[in-house]
Amino acid sequence: RKEVEQDPGPFNVPEGATVAFNCTYSNSASQSFFWYRQDCRKEPKLLMSVYSSGNEDGRFTAQLNRASQYISLLIRDSKLSDSATYLCVVNKGSGTYKYIFGTGTRLKVLA
Amino acid sequence: EPEVTQTPSHQVTQMGQEVILRCVPISNHLYFYWYRQILGQKVEFLVSFYNNEISEKSEIFDDQFSVERPDGSNFTLKIRSTKLEDSAMYFCASNQGLDGYTFGSGTRLTVV
Repeated sequence: RKEVEQDPGPFNVPEGATVAFNCTYSNSASQSFFWYRQDCRKEPKLLMSVYSSGNEDGRFTAQLNRASQYISLLIRDSKLSDSATYLCVVNKGSGTYKYIFGTGTRLKVLA
Repeated sequence: EPEVTQTPSHQVTQMGQEVILRCVPISNHLYFYWYRQILGQKVEFLVSFYNNEISEKSEIFDDQFSVERPDGSNFTLKIRSTKLEDSAMYFCASNQGLDGYTFGSGTRLTVV
């Protein structure tokens, strides 16, 4: 099983749609979870941390399911500017600050 | 908003040459990292650095690679003898521990 696994997409959705991405991770000792956004040929930018209780930031909601070892990202009311690759990031395990990146899920929001 | 700065933005070098990629992490961050991304592939961990020493490194980070924090602000990645397969985007990042990284805008390294 890959350390961090994501559906590469692309997900093509119309403006205003709701879209959800999932990510699974293999190490049950992982403690830190994030979603990053990466635009073409740019650096990854932190979108949000993912907490056990779930968290929301405007149109974005992140959830963590430790029992099943997956995290999710929900985007409501998609905008054209949401088009990007969304990277799932998980720390390697306890006692390490090394983060493992998934391959990313491409989102295209269509007018 | 504080940022991580990287120079140069693009470097072209001949195979076998040495390159030094430079980074200035965020000033109050304690942990520094180098990652790379080959075009079309995922972001891969190279090395982490804390308290003036390497804390972890990946299999990619072999004897051709080294890192330094020569002063209180710069953090450098040196590739001693570049190979064609070293062509990639190299990202520097920093954080305070288990929080998210802040990445620099990257150095695109092209080995010819």
